[in-house]
Formats: sequence, C-alpha cells, structure tokens
Amino acid sequence: QKEVEQDPGPLSVPEGAIVSLNCTYSNSAFQYFMWYRQYSRKGPELLMYTYSSGNKEDGRFTAQVDKSSKYISLFIRDSQPSDSATYLCARPQGGKLIFGQGTELSVKP
Amino acid sequence: DAMVIQNPRYQVTQFGKPVTLSCSQTLNHNVMYWYQQKSSQAPKLLFHYYDKDFNNEADTPDNFQSRRPNTSFCFLDIRSPGLGDAAMYLCATSRGASGDTQYFGPGTRLTVL
Repeated sequence: QKEVEQDPGPLSVPEGAIVSLNCTYSNSAFQYFMWYRQYSRKGPELLMYTYSSGNKEDGRFTAQVDKSSKYISLFIRDSQPSDSATYLCARPQGGKLIFGQGTELSVKP
Repeated sequence: DAMVIQNPRYQVTQFGKPVTLSCSQTLNHNVMYWYQQKSSQAPKLLFHYYDKDFNNEADTPDNFQSRRPNTSFCFLDIRSPGLGDAAMYLCATSRGASGDTQYFGPGTRLTVL
C-alpha cells in the first residue's frame, strides 16, 4: 500500500463548480500535509499546507484533514479555467516529500 | 526575484550518451533535491544534498550521479541514458530538511533517442 494515494483523474468540471480533491494516507502518525499545484510542463508550486486535523482556508481554497478516516481534501470554490492543473498531495518524511500520484483537473469555460 | 532555475528546459540525447542537467538557486537554501517525474506519475526523489552532505535514495540507479560544487549550483549527471530515463527532471530547494517548504524549478524535459 502506498503511503499517500490519490485518484489520478482526470477530473473535468464546468467553470464555477466546487471541486473536491482527495488523498488517503496509511500512517495515522502523519500530521503535516501539503498541497502542490503543477501546471503542464512546469514544476510543482506549494499551494497550501495543513497541520493535524481541521480546516485551513486561503481565498477560494480550503484544505482539510480528517485524521479519523486518514483523509486529506482540497476544496476549490468558484473554480476557474486557470485552476486547470495537476494537484499533488504530499507529506514530509525524514527530510523529503512523499507525493501522491496527483489528480489532473480541467475546468471548462 | 529569488528562484530556482533549471537549464536547459528541454534536452535531447542519444541512447548511452552522457548528459548533465543544471540547477541553480538564488534562495540561499541549504538543501537541494533532484526528482524524476514520468508522465502522470508522482515526482520520485533521486537524491538530495544538505549543504555538502549527499543523500542517495536506496532505489536510485547508479547511472544517476550528482554534484554540488557550491551552495547555488547542483548538477544531475546521467552517465548512460536509457530509453527508460526519458522524463521530467525537477530540481527543488528548501531551507532545511524537516518538513520545510520545497521550491521547485520549472524542470528539464529529457528525451532519449
């Protein structure tokens, strides 16, 4: 079992939709998670990080961790075509990042 | 602007012909990483430097080597590229190694003919 798993998609939504991107993790000791966004042919960029349980909000983006179900979510409100990218969840381990496979999102105008 | 720069952005090489990819950073970060990312896959860490200390991942093939001559620069050498080495190679930096944010360069897309 991979330590961090994501549904690779692709996920296609109309502009303005609420998007839910999800990861599951295997080790309940994990407490710190990150979401990276990667545009086509570019390197990943940090979008948000979240620690332990609860929500963290930044503009149209909300990151949520549910420790009881070992679930990490990223919600995008009022999605825009510019949000079209691959979204990678990650967690740090021993000085490196463990990435999920990434979910490819396409927001159609 | 402080950033992570990778050169070249696109590299074409022949099977078995050595190739070197370059990464430089103006962030003055202690840690530099090299990742390999194949299509629709997660970035896979090859190795990283904490200052001058080299840390190789256990499953990184011997075909891949790295050099960090100073804080700002790090190189990835592929001694004998195979068709399976065609991928995007990402360089990243972080201030420290314990959960610090990693900042990625734009990547070098390697094609092996």
